[in-house]
Amino acid sequence: GDSVTQMEGPVTLSEEAFLTINCTYTATGYPSLFWYVQYPGEGLQLLLKATKADDKGSNKGFEATYRKETTSFHLEKGSVQVSDSAVYFCALRANFGNEKLTFGTGTRLTIIP
Amino acid sequence: DTEVTQTPKHLVMGMTNKKSLKCEQHMGHRAMYWYKQKAKKPPELMFVYSYEKLSINESVPSRFSPECPNSSLLNLHLHALQPEDSALYLCASSQGGQRYNEQFFGPGTRLTVL
Repeated sequence: GDSVTQMEGPVTLSEEAFLTINCTYTATGYPSLFWYVQYPGEGLQLLLKATKADDKGSNKGFEATYRKETTSFHLEKGSVQVSDSAVYFCALRANFGNEKLTFGTGTRLTIIP
Repeated sequence: DTEVTQTPKHLVMGMTNKKSLKCEQHMGHRAMYWYKQKAKKPPELMFVYSYEKLSINESVPSRFSPECPNSSLLNLHLHALQPEDSALYLCASSQGGQRYNEQFFGPGTRLTVL
């Protein structure tokens, strides 16, 4: 079945550091890929998405590129801020008509000033 | 309006109570979802409604009963819950039908079962 594997957390970085959160997936066909962010006490917000190979999703300084050859969708940001502290979920949606999102386990990110 | 709203924000109930969670969206989305999220875990899908019909039930116990009165509203009726049902309950909506359509999540209802 479909699955998403995220790097283990928690991740702690200093402000202005470079961020990478790894995400790899297993799915048949051509899934769509998403990064969601969850701030403390809130629901999930879509951060970015990519729908086909080599697409790059970007938002708020975050980027991720859909790499079909390595089945990866790693999240990156060049300079993190304290306000980026949250839990980040990688997710996929596979095949037309399949309404299910498959989530990774989530990576808790803490940025220290 | 790109928002999914959920009420109440917090709910405390006893194991013999009956309560309902409500979700509303005005984005014209045709698919709506209920998720359960335990602490430090990803959301787990419970139910999917597509065009107001229940399309997916992830083997959820019958003490959880979903209802979709119209395309904008989604309810989750709760009865005889157990303490282990305490969690954050998230509602989401999407255009539905196209694999790349993202899901928009509400802020959730934090449920505590005593």
